[in-house]
Amino acid sequence: EDKVVQSPLSLVVHEGDTVTLNCSYEVTNFRSLLWYKQEKKAPTFLFMLTSSGIEKKSGRLSSILDKKELFSILNITATQTGDSAIYLCAVEALGAGTYKYIFGTGTRLKVLA
Amino acid sequence: DTGVSQNPRHKITKRGQNVTFRCDPISEHNRLYWYRQTLGQGPEFLTYFQNEAQLEKSRLLSDRFSAERPKGSFSTLEIQRTEQGDSAMYLCASAEWGEISGYTFGSGTRLTVV
Repeated sequence: EDKVVQSPLSLVVHEGDTVTLNCSYEVTNFRSLLWYKQEKKAPTFLFMLTSSGIEKKSGRLSSILDKKELFSILNITATQTGDSAIYLCAVEALGAGTYKYIFGTGTRLKVLA
Repeated sequence: DTGVSQNPRHKITKRGQNVTFRCDPISEHNRLYWYRQTLGQGPEFLTYFQNEAQLEKSRLLSDRFSAERPKGSFSTLEIQRTEQGDSAMYLCASAEWGEISGYTFGSGTRLTVV
């Protein structure tokens, strides 16, 4: 069965710290890996990764994919209280004829002032 | 039309009642997904529409659940004879065929069955 595992489940840091969130996966017919940030409501898109070894960056956030070892990391540098959220990893995989996202349980990040 | 709209935002219902949720996707998006998210978990896939055709249903979707997208635009998700275990956030997402920037999610409908 397809699965996506995130670690740690939760994390508490202080402003200015750097954090690394992990996502490993076992799926058939992998197409892409995505990271989303979820605060109170809708998950908001951060990154989509399809190729190994190519880092994607957006401000203080960056992410990279390793398709050989089947994992991805999301780094956040110089964390701010506004980074407090649940970070969801999703893998787009083919199942029953259609591609869809399979989500991990998320990492709950809390950044203290 | 700036995003995916879901209504209602919150719904409290008594066990055994029927509820219906609505999702209005981004207008040019032909792909529409329903997910369910319970506390402490990531979203779980429920069903997928391409235009008006329902192409996949999760086994999580029991006989009490039905979804429609009659004209390939908005979609509804109905739960009949609700149970306490149905309490969750129901998320709708849409995407354009071939889109490379991920699904756009709505803010969800939070269902509480008492």
